[in-house]
Amino acid sequence: ELKVEQNPLFLSMQEGKNYTIYCNYSTTSDRLYWYRQDPGKSLESLFVLLSNGAVKQEGRLMASLDTKARLSTLHITAAVHDLSATYFCAVEDNAGNMLTFGGGTRLMVKP
Amino acid sequence: ETGVTQSPTHLIKTRGQQVTLRCSSQSGHNTVSWYQQALGQGPQFIFQYYREEENGRGNFPPRFSGLQFPNYSSELNVNALELDDSALYLCASSFGWNEQFFGPGTRLTVL
Repeated sequence: ELKVEQNPLFLSMQEGKNYTIYCNYSTTSDRLYWYRQDPGKSLESLFVLLSNGAVKQEGRLMASLDTKARLSTLHITAAVHDLSATYFCAVEDNAGNMLTFGGGTRLMVKP
Repeated sequence: ETGVTQSPTHLIKTRGQQVTLRCSSQSGHNTVSWYQQALGQGPQFIFQYYREEENGRGNFPPRFSGLQFPNYSSELNVNALELDDSALYLCASSFGWNEQFFGPGTRLTVL
């Protein structure tokens, strides 16, 4: 059974600081996703990571994937208040495209 | 190109009742997946339909059932509602096993 763990579960940080969210998963997978969710809203796709060593960047967010270590990271550079949200990683089951989600990281960026 | 749509946006039911949630997939997509997201948790996979056939199922009881129509829209039915069924229900569509795109969700409250 595929298991996905994120840490930390909650992150409070000051604007301008850097931090990293970690996502570990238990079995081999071809695809890993990062999503953002605002309160009461649906999931917004941030990144799709398809191969070992993949790195993608969008604005202040950068995601990477190490399939050998079964680890993905979401790095936040010079955080701003608008990044406050819950971030989920999700790993795709190789048998189909069922997604298993981590528990989420609730990020609060303080001015 | 129309994205994934879901209806209704919100609804309130009482224990023991039955509910039907609806999802229209994105144009060109033939696969629909349903997820349940309880408050403060990551989404959990309920089941997936591919070309009108159930293609996979998560750890949910048989009172959760679904249907996919020839136009690839889908329904999620839940019988004998329980308080723990209160959640955000997310529908996602894809073309085959490609990236899933999520709808806005239906918020179900069971009293």
